[in-house]
Amino acid sequence: EVQLVESGGGLVQPGGSLRLSCTASGFTFGSYWMTWVRQAPGKGLEWVANIKDSGSEEYYVDSVKGRFTVSRDNAKNSVYLQMDSLRVEDTAAYFCARVIIGATTGRTNRFDIWGQGTMVTVSS
Amino acid sequence: EVVLTQSPATLSLSPGERATLSCRASQSISPYLAWYQHKPGQAPRLLIYDASNRATGIPARFSGSGSGTDFTLTISSLQAEDFAVYFCQQHLTFGQGTKVEIK
Repeated sequence: EVQLVESGGGLVQPGGSLRLSCTASGFTFGSYWMTWVRQAPGKGLEWVANIKDSGSEEYYVDSVKGRFTVSRDNAKNSVYLQMDSLRVEDTAAYFCARVIIGATTGRTNRFDIWGQGTMVTVSS
Repeated sequence: EVVLTQSPATLSLSPGERATLSCRASQSISPYLAWYQHKPGQAPRLLIYDASNRATGIPARFSGSGSGTDFTLTISSLQAEDFAVYFCQQHLTFGQGTKVEIK
């Protein structure tokens, strides 16, 4: 079964750090870009970061640049999100998802497999 | 950067009725638009990609159409399990969502 399972969420104080993990099964993990998307309470979905299949390229939404780092270990079928200098506004459910790159555009086309998410709460 | 605007914010319908959801882009994106279904506590589910292609395992009652800047997701006859929030997406941008609730 194709599956993504996130872990690592929790309650953290402003300025603190947290590392999220996402473990994949049921597909050739190393052949796909992966992404992190978040949803703040009562809000819509917001793309956070992408990482290339090889791990050689990373992209971030402006609001997390310099604070969050996406990485992956293809031998462990896992992608990670290291979140430092956390802010109250980072409070959200964080989802990892598999990225499908458009064959003609070379850009993110869609996210076809998602995990159930892990909740991150930043509060004092 | 493309902005996606979904309407209406909430759609109140009864089971068996037809649901029509709109997603408007701030510039032409045709045909690269996807639709997702999201229920609380669950993983979002890809329904439609490239405006009109159903994803694997998605029932035929879900259909997508549109081009340029205006796109539509249609659920031909709402089933109990279809009451959820629906998002459109293009590249790294999502719409704000339409909640389909039971009337």
